[in-house]
Amino acid sequence: GQSLEQPSEVTAVEGAIVQINCTYQTSGFYGLSWYQQHDGGAPTFLSYNGLDGLEETGRFSSFLSRSDSYGYLLLQELQMKDSASYFCAVRAGGYSTLTFGKGTMLLVSP
Amino acid sequence: DTGVSQDPRHKITKRGQNVTFRCDPISEHNRLYWYRQTLGQGPEFLTYFQNEAQLEKSRLLSDRFSAERPKGSFSTLEIQRTEQGDSAMYLCASSLSGSNEQFFGPGTRLTVL
Repeated sequence: GQSLEQPSEVTAVEGAIVQINCTYQTSGFYGLSWYQQHDGGAPTFLSYNGLDGLEETGRFSSFLSRSDSYGYLLLQELQMKDSASYFCAVRAGGYSTLTFGKGTMLLVSP
Repeated sequence: DTGVSQDPRHKITKRGQNVTFRCDPISEHNRLYWYRQTLGQGPEFLTYFQNEAQLEKSRLLSDRFSAERPKGSFSTLEIQRTEQGDSAMYLCASSLSGSNEQFFGPGTRLTVL
């Protein structure tokens, strides 16, 4: 089976930097994705890491270490609109289906 | 094309009834996925289509659940003899072959009384 662990909640203030960690256990690992979901909304894609290292997209960066079965999402210059749930998801096996973690609720305060 | 659409957005049904949901993916996307999400949890994979072929189905998926994608475009998810435990948000997503980005629809919220 597959399992992912991420913190249930993280709080931060506007302008700060926050890191959301994700550890996983799976066989046939292909890559790690991150999705954002606002309350009542649909998940939206943020990033994908198939290889070790850092991927940067604007204020968001994502990191993967395959040897440690570990990744993180880094959010910089936090804004109120970043308050949302963030899910890591592993792609494993031959198809592109995803197994999601339980999500981390990020609360950004003024 | 404005994105993935799902119909209906909300469905209330009585236990034991059958329900069917529809998903229209982004038009050029050949891959389609169904997920289920309950409060405080991440989306849980149900089934996956590439074009009209159903290539993967969750081992946790009851025989009461069936999905089709007859012409490789829209898809339907049917739940027979609904149970209260089926109450959840049912999400559809689509993607292009070779892309790791899945585009999610707004979901169908099912409430089983």
